[in-house]
This record gives sequence, C-alpha cells and structure tokens, in this order.
Amino acid sequence: EDQVTQSPEALRLQEGESSSLNCSYTVSGLRGLFWYRQDPGKGPEFLFTLYSAGEEKEKERLKATLTKKESFLHITAPKPEDSATYLCAVRTVYNQGGKLIFGQGTELSVKP
Amino acid sequence: EAQVTQNPRYLITVTGKKLTVTCSQNMNHEYMSWYRQDPGLGLRQIYYSMNVEVTDKGDVPEGYKVSRKEKRNFPLILESLSPNQTSLYFCASSLRRQRFNMNTEAFFGQGTRLTVV
Repeated sequence: EDQVTQSPEALRLQEGESSSLNCSYTVSGLRGLFWYRQDPGKGPEFLFTLYSAGEEKEKERLKATLTKKESFLHITAPKPEDSATYLCAVRTVYNQGGKLIFGQGTELSVKP
Repeated sequence: EAQVTQNPRYLITVTGKKLTVTCSQNMNHEYMSWYRQDPGLGLRQIYYSMNVEVTDKGDVPEGYKVSRKEKRNFPLILESLSPNQTSLYFCASSLRRQRFNMNTEAFFGQGTRLTVV
C-alpha cells in the first residue's frame, strides 16, 4: 500500500535556528513529490515539485531535496512568518488518475 | 489572478438537508478533485474528474456526488447531510499533461468548513 509519513509531527524552533522536516514514502512508481504549506483554516499552498532522486529546489529560506525513499524540507534561519503546517504529498504511476497521497503534516512553530 | 474559488466558506447546518458546495477554477485545468481534511486523518480524496463529463471515486466517496458539465466548475453534492460529514473540504485543480499521462502540481481553494448538527 502506498504510504507517506512525515516527521516530526510538530517542531518548535527559535528564530534563526535552522532545521529539517522529513517525508518518507513507500510507493509503487513515484510520479512526483510535492511540498505544500498550509496556514490554519486555509488551503494548502504549493511550494515545490520534485520528480527524481537527487533533485533539489529552493525558494527563499526553504530547500527541498529528494532521495529514493524520502524527501527533506530544509529551513534555513527561519522567521516567525514561516510558522505553518508543511504537507508532503506524492503521486504514483498506478493511482487513480493523479490522486495526491498526503502525509499527516509537520506543524512548525518559529518563536521570535 | 489564478485561483480556485469555493463557496460557501463556512456553514453550520442540520442532518438530512441537501448541500451543494461550488468550486470554480480560472486556469483552464482539466483535472479537478475534492478532498476532505480531518484531524488525525489528513487530506483524503473524495472524487476526481479528469475532464468534462469524466468523474470517478476517490478514497472516501460514500455520501457524496459530483458533476462536471463545464471545464471550470466541479460542484460537490451532499444529498443527505450526516454528522460524519462535518469536515474541512478542499477543491483542487491541476493541469493535465496528456502526452506524459500525468498532472502538474495541484492548486487548492480556500476551503469550506462544514458542521452538521
């Protein structure tokens, strides 16, 4: 069964304290791994797409990387406005025409 | 501005009533889908549509219906509301790359918070 697991469930950082969020996946034929940011009560906001192992994408303080089994979202020198829940999702070759399989998310809190 | 628009955004209603949640996108995307988000269960797909008049069930379709008569609209229909349909609902759309048989990233609406009492 296709599965996506994110860790940790919650992460508290001080402003400027860099860290990484993990997304491990067990799927049959990866067709893309996606990172989203979700603020409370709002829709997920697209951040990155990664398609193959070794690929990296960057945006401001965020950098996403991908291996054959997991993806990391590195946050460098975070600010309070980076506080949100970060969701990882995958699409596989065999799923229903493009369903996103989501992890449970990591709730990030950055204190000033 | 590219966006996915859902309505209503918030609703408290009663068991047994019928509800239609509208979803519209202005990006000319072929693929649209509905998800529900529940604490501890994450986001789960309810229904999806690969194009006009083409719809199929996701993981949790029971109690829901959809239609896709126009490319931009994908309403979610709850025929007879029940308390277990209390949830946060999201509509999403993606561009479908037919040549590669795959979708690009999904864009989500702002959500509909539904409470059924």
